Amino acid sequence: DAGITQSPRHKVTETGTPVTLRCHQTENHRYMYWYRQDPGHGLRLIHYSYGVKDTDKGEVSDGYSVSRSKTEDFLLTLESATSSQTSVYFCAARGAGTPRNEQFFGPGTRLTVL
Amino acid sequence: QKEVEQNSGPLSVPEGAIASLNCTYSDRGSQSFFWYRQYSGKSPELIMFIYSNGDKEDGRFTAQLNKASQYVSLLIRDSQPSDSATYLCAVSPVSASGGSYIPTFGRGTSLIVHP
Repeated sequence: DAGITQSPRHKVTETGTPVTLRCHQTENHRYMYWYRQDPGHGLRLIHYSYGVKDTDKGEVSDGYSVSRSKTEDFLLTLESATSSQTSVYFCAARGAGTPRNEQFFGPGTRLTVL
Repeated sequence: QKEVEQNSGPLSVPEGAIASLNCTYSDRGSQSFFWYRQYSGKSPELIMFIYSNGDKEDGRFTAQLNKASQYVSLLIRDSQPSDSATYLCAVSPVSASGGSYIPTFGRGTSLIVHP
């Protein structure tokens, strides 16, 4: 897992509640990403970060916000959870100048919104 | 919109056979091509990457790239039941300004290797 952890690993919540998912990395990677994975859709980028306090939107960012106050932590917040946000969420990280441009993925968080 | 297309499968092959997985992409500016393997309930892991036209071999895996046809493939020789997984194709342009690297993933092809 290249030093990437996600918490919680599983969460069940109710519609309308805010939810925050945490991604933590120990390799000092500059770039971090949040994806969601749903059957039939593959991996879709929600938000990404290219440095502390530097973030940008991905293709499915509506209803999500992110923050990165430290290199090692990238938080994803669902401002008011909806059933359509039931998914598996993966965090990924990549170091600057990595020859393989490889993204390392965390173990995932399974979120269920009732 | 950048698109990466893969046949969802499942692709079923007998043990010991060659499994051939294919991927096409729409963005002619793509320069980096990756194959990730994802076991059920697990996260994706990189198994192959290729930047230049032609073939790249790593053990039982061969990645083939044809930029003119916008086509990348993954061959798995001597397939084993442990190769049963979903294989994700990802493509990306060379790092954009600021180094942001935003790959586009295909939906994945499910491979089943039966004994």
